[in-house]
Amino acid sequence: DTAVSQTPKYLVTQMGNDKSIKCEQNLGHDTMYWYKQDSKKFLKIMFSYNNKELIINETVPNRFSPKSPDKAHLNLHINSLELGDSAVYFCASSLTGWNYGYTFGSGTRLTVV
Amino acid sequence: AQTVTQSQPEMSVQEAETVTLSCTYDTSESDYYLFWYKQPPSRQMILVIRQEAYKQQNATENRFSVNFQKAAKSFSLKISDSQLGDAAMYFCALSVSSGSARQLTFGSGTQLTVLP
Repeated sequence: DTAVSQTPKYLVTQMGNDKSIKCEQNLGHDTMYWYKQDSKKFLKIMFSYNNKELIINETVPNRFSPKSPDKAHLNLHINSLELGDSAVYFCASSLTGWNYGYTFGSGTRLTVV
Repeated sequence: AQTVTQSQPEMSVQEAETVTLSCTYDTSESDYYLFWYKQPPSRQMILVIRQEAYKQQNATENRFSVNFQKAAKSFSLKISDSQLGDAAMYFCALSVSSGSARQLTFGSGTQLTVLP
């Protein structure tokens, strides 16, 4: 009964390819996020969706496109992958008005070669 | 804009001893929450403890407690009776309202080693 599940856990791909990471939560949360953790372990928010509406869109290359088909799912599609995209990508979710932080997925380690 | 600073990239503690991890933050918001997350080698992000800014009382969760100094914008984590399983990267985080969502801003992390 994984609360926030991401697939795949590992992704190795060549430069220039297009790839997607999927995220699903079964907690009934209404807000979902994508964070990027770089090689120095720094975590930075990329996007946030609330009830399928994009509400946070940080400075991220437009090769990254999030999609939220419903409030339980938030996918991340990356076009024309570059070496610098190699990182761990975390999906997270939270409930508006419920201030107990986020619940995180286990992360997707993306390696671009 | 919010910032979170963790000035100790690495810390070590002897098993059964006590260690304190430092965190300072900056925000102009009056409504905010503070968190400590733990990331073990499995890379799962685990919530350790949370603190509401409007509460003066320091939060405590078993062996974990915080020292919240609101005027100084300081939020340190104390781990008592350290165990080998406490070895992990610890992140301090600040949550403020951003429209209809609470955006979580993280510090750069402190890698904690527990020595047997």
